[in-house]
Amino acid sequence: AQSVSQHNHHVILSEAASLELGCNYSYGGTVNLFWYVQYPGQHLQLLLKYFSGDPLVKGIKGFEAEFIKSKFSFNLRKPSVQWSDTAEYFCAVRGNDMRFGAGTRLTVKP
Amino acid sequence: GAGVSQTPSNKVTEKGKYVELRCDPISGHTALYWYRQSLGQGPEFLIYFQGTGAADDSGLPNDRFFAVRPEGSVSTLKIQRTERGDSAVYLCASSLQGGWSGANVLTFGAGSRLTVL
Repeated sequence: AQSVSQHNHHVILSEAASLELGCNYSYGGTVNLFWYVQYPGQHLQLLLKYFSGDPLVKGIKGFEAEFIKSKFSFNLRKPSVQWSDTAEYFCAVRGNDMRFGAGTRLTVKP
Repeated sequence: GAGVSQTPSNKVTEKGKYVELRCDPISGHTALYWYRQSLGQGPEFLIYFQGTGAADDSGLPNDRFFAVRPEGSVSTLKIQRTERGDSAVYLCASSLQGGWSGANVLTFGAGSRLTVL
């Protein structure tokens, strides 16, 4: 089965800073890739997904992620974060089942 | 319904007791998934149903955990002889189609927080 690593446990940024959250996975077969977000007090919501085609995918609220197959990575990016992006972000990989990383807590200071 | 509904939102029980957690998926979604999220961790897969049958129960940690979906809609996760280590948020998700391939997107509920004293 696949495994998912999110190396950043807690990231603190000021508003307007650029964001990149790392996600690496291990799996030898075809994968589908996801980023979910959990805002304080809310449930998990889909931010973006990759199934096939263009490896650069755009999601809601200005987020994007790039699938680099050779690096087994699917990093999440946003050019300029806002205070409202404060949340926990989970990378998920679907191979022969769907597994999540441990999550990265993002705190954006106003 | 409009979203995935889970009840109760919070459950506090004593060690050794039996607990049931309920999930009502999005109307028309054939697949239903249970995950468990412990503090500081990501969701951990438990079981998924395609219709009434458990298509993959490889994530259930032991035989104290059981889930049913008798009519292919609402599901109940049952935990017998609860232990303190069972304390977690139990998440339910549903998708239009089932399986671990294809264009399936899981939509999650708010979860049921279980605390075992």
